[in-house]
Parts: sequence; structure tokens; C-alpha cells
Amino acid sequence: QKEVEQNSGPLSVPEGAIASLNCTYSDRGSQSFFWYRQYSGKSPELIMFIYSNGDKEDGRFTAQLNKASQYVSLLIRDSQPSDSATYLCAVQTGANNLFFGTGTRLTVIP
Amino acid sequence: EPEVTQTPSHQVTQMGQEVILRCVPISNHLYFYWYRQILGQKVEFLVSFYNNEISEKSEIFDDQFSVERPDGSNFTLKIRSTKLEDSAMYFCASNAGQLTGELFFGEGSRLTVL
Repeated sequence: QKEVEQNSGPLSVPEGAIASLNCTYSDRGSQSFFWYRQYSGKSPELIMFIYSNGDKEDGRFTAQLNKASQYVSLLIRDSQPSDSATYLCAVQTGANNLFFGTGTRLTVIP
Repeated sequence: EPEVTQTPSHQVTQMGQEVILRCVPISNHLYFYWYRQILGQKVEFLVSFYNNEISEKSEIFDDQFSVERPDGSNFTLKIRSTKLEDSAMYFCASNAGQLTGELFFGEGSRLTVL
């Protein structure tokens, strides 16, 4: 069973603050982990991926992975109103398939 | 920049009718996928396709659904005898085949079953 759980939110943060998004997964065989952003009515777009334990930074975004705890997170620094969207955690299996969590809706308040 | 294209963007159909959703994946990609998202719900995996055959399918992908790659470019999802609960956004995606490869999503086809 490939379960991906996210804190459902909604999450509201003031502009300039750090937004923290969390995700846990059930399949220990999962190999890669993705964060997608989805604006209402649009398709998912990739923010970043991570496959090694630890942190990975890309601009204002930092992904963190802990395979022992089956936990992955996304930090957004200096949050902007344009970051307001639903953030989807996705887990990739050996068959190159992605399984998504339910998403966390983030609102950045100006 | 290469992209995944989907047609139609929106289709309205009567319950019981057959629908074909079309996708043109990125040309050098090897894996193709269909996902669906019912309004307000999560993106759900339907099926993956590799080397001209289904590589994995979910419980949702029952006999009502089929996929086909009729030529070198198109990838289609057929839904037979549509039901009200088939109303959703259907996303096609493709992947170049790397172990940690990103899935590139099309803009989606919204299906409304009346």
C-alpha cells in the first residue's frame, strides 16, 4: 500500500515568514521524493526533488529527507503571496510511478 | 521548451457514453502516465505505460479504462460507459526514464459527465 500523508492544512503564514510543509510515506522501498506546487485548476509543477537523506536547498526552498523516519518536508523561506498554492508531496517507486499525498493548501498573507 | 499536450481541455459527455482523452508526451520520453484528480481531492495514479504495454495500474483502472499508444506520438485514455463519478481532471504525464526523473504533466483534460 503506497500511502502518502500530508498535514492537510490549510496553512497560513505572513509574508516573509517560513512555511513548513510535512509529509510521511508508508513504502520503505520508495526511492525519490518530490514536491510539486499546484495552483487552482492547473497541473502540478515541480518545485524540487530529493533522494538522499539530509537537506537539499534550491533558492528559497529546502527539502529535508529522513528515510529512517519515512519523513520528508519542504521549507519555504521568505514566503511570498505568489507562493500561495497547494503543495503536493509525491513518492516515486521503483517503477518510476509517482504517488501523491492529499496536498497542503498554503496561503501567504501580505 | 518541450511540453506534454492534452486534448480536449474540457469535454462534456452524457452518462454511458465513451470518451477518449488524448495526450502527446514529450518526444524522447519513455514512460507515460495517466492521473486523475476529482475536484477538491488528491491527484490519483491510474496507469503507467512503458515499452508499449501497461507497467502498473491502480485499483481505479478497471475494465472501464484502457490506454493505447496508436502511433509514435499519441497516448490515449479511453473511458467506456462513463459514470457521474468519472467527472474529474485527467492529467497525462511523461518521464524520460531516469531513476529520479521528474514527471512532466500536461495541462489536463476536464471531463464532466452529466
